[in-house]
Amino acid sequence: GAGVSQTPSNKVTEKGKYVELRCDPISGHTALYWYRQSLGQGPEFLIYFQGTGAADDSGLPNDRFFAVRPEGSVSTLKIQRTERGDSAVYLCASSLTGYTEAFFGQGTRLTVV
Amino acid sequence: KQEVTQIPAALSVPEGENLVLNCSFTDSAIYNLQWFRQDPGKGLTSLLLIQSSQREQTSGRLNASLDKSSGRSTLYIAASQPGDSATYLCAAPAGGTSYGKLTFGQGTILTVHP
Repeated sequence: GAGVSQTPSNKVTEKGKYVELRCDPISGHTALYWYRQSLGQGPEFLIYFQGTGAADDSGLPNDRFFAVRPEGSVSTLKIQRTERGDSAVYLCASSLTGYTEAFFGQGTRLTVV
Repeated sequence: KQEVTQIPAALSVPEGENLVLNCSFTDSAIYNLQWFRQDPGKGLTSLLLIQSSQREQTSGRLNASLDKSSGRSTLYIAASQPGDSATYLCAAPAGGTSYGKLTFGQGTILTVHP
């Protein structure tokens, strides 16, 4: 596809469950970012991948959050033991390199009930 | 640590008005500054990216300026239209190894009524 694709667009899960959110970056983009946006707030940085490795995971709030990018393309954000406070829109972005403009996907709205 | 603040938090104007959205940032050693638009329930659409060496960027009815020394940027929207209604976010690189690690403001919710 031409842009960053995120699936699912909406996810409702019960408290305590495990969820996976997927991001397909723009083809050829080596850098990939995850952000979390709570209602009424700007997005907050979670993690940055350069290729297959996490170059900066300083924004992950705790060890329930984990992300992978095994082949340097698709990335999955994994949340264990979900809590109601995890409800937010999770945004993914990619860029050609770490020093070029990043382009954002449409986000996944996660609701923990 | 970079902090970004946007004023006002919300703005309601009649169609046709020219308006200014403000953004301030604490760390002036930025590579660039970016303005985004976000429609309800949607992702972010990049409007303008100003490099640190530039003073302003223009796209159609939008003009963004950057003053690194004062830590400020403004987004000027000319002849506003109802279709401009959205949340406008500014963002600056948070520092470190990547331009894509951004610190966002909380946004300005713009409503343009007919």
